Amino acid sequence: QKEVEQNSGPLSVPEGAIASLNCTYSDRGSQSFFWYRQYSGKSPELIMSIYSNGDKEDGRFTAQLNKASQYVSLLIRDSQPSDSATYLCAVNRANFGNEKLTFGTGTRLTIIP
Amino acid sequence: DGGITQSPKYLFRKEGQNVTLSCEQNLNHDAMYWYRQDPGQGLRLIYYSQIVNDFQKGDIAEGYSVSREKKESFPLTVTSAQKNPTAFYLCASSILGAGEQFFGPGTRLTVL
Repeated sequence: QKEVEQNSGPLSVPEGAIASLNCTYSDRGSQSFFWYRQYSGKSPELIMSIYSNGDKEDGRFTAQLNKASQYVSLLIRDSQPSDSATYLCAVNRANFGNEKLTFGTGTRLTIIP
Repeated sequence: DGGITQSPKYLFRKEGQNVTLSCEQNLNHDAMYWYRQDPGQGLRLIYYSQIVNDFQKGDIAEGYSVSREKKESFPLTVTSAQKNPTAFYLCASSILGAGEQFFGPGTRLTVL
């Protein structure tokens, strides 16, 4: 079982619709969760961080965390063509002295105009 | 401007050569990381450092070496022992305990 799993996609969503990206993780001790956006040929850009169960909203982005189900998701409302990218989920145990992130392989999202 | 810089953007290496990739940050972050990304794959950790003059191996350290002589700098050397070095190399940094890592623009290494 991979430590962090994502559906590789591609996920195609019409412009203006809600894109839903999912991620599961295997380590129950995980404490911090991150979503990165990576455009083709570019480096990852942090777009959301979430640390406690529930929803966290930032503009058109909402991150959802359910530690009991070991599940984290990212919702993108009013999807725009500029949202077309690969989205990476990353997880951290957040023990001081163990600062490593474990990344999923990413979900490729395409917004269809 | 605060940020992370990597150089060069593109690098070509002949087989048997060692090459060094530069990573500099002016964010005053304690921790720095090197990742490798291959097409269609996630990021794999090569080395990381949480303090000057100390670093730890990541998941795929074989064939690579690093140094951390200054807080701002964390260069990566790809040695001739690395059998398949063609990849996109990413440097990141973070505040210790924060978890969030911020990435530089990357170096694309190609072995000829």
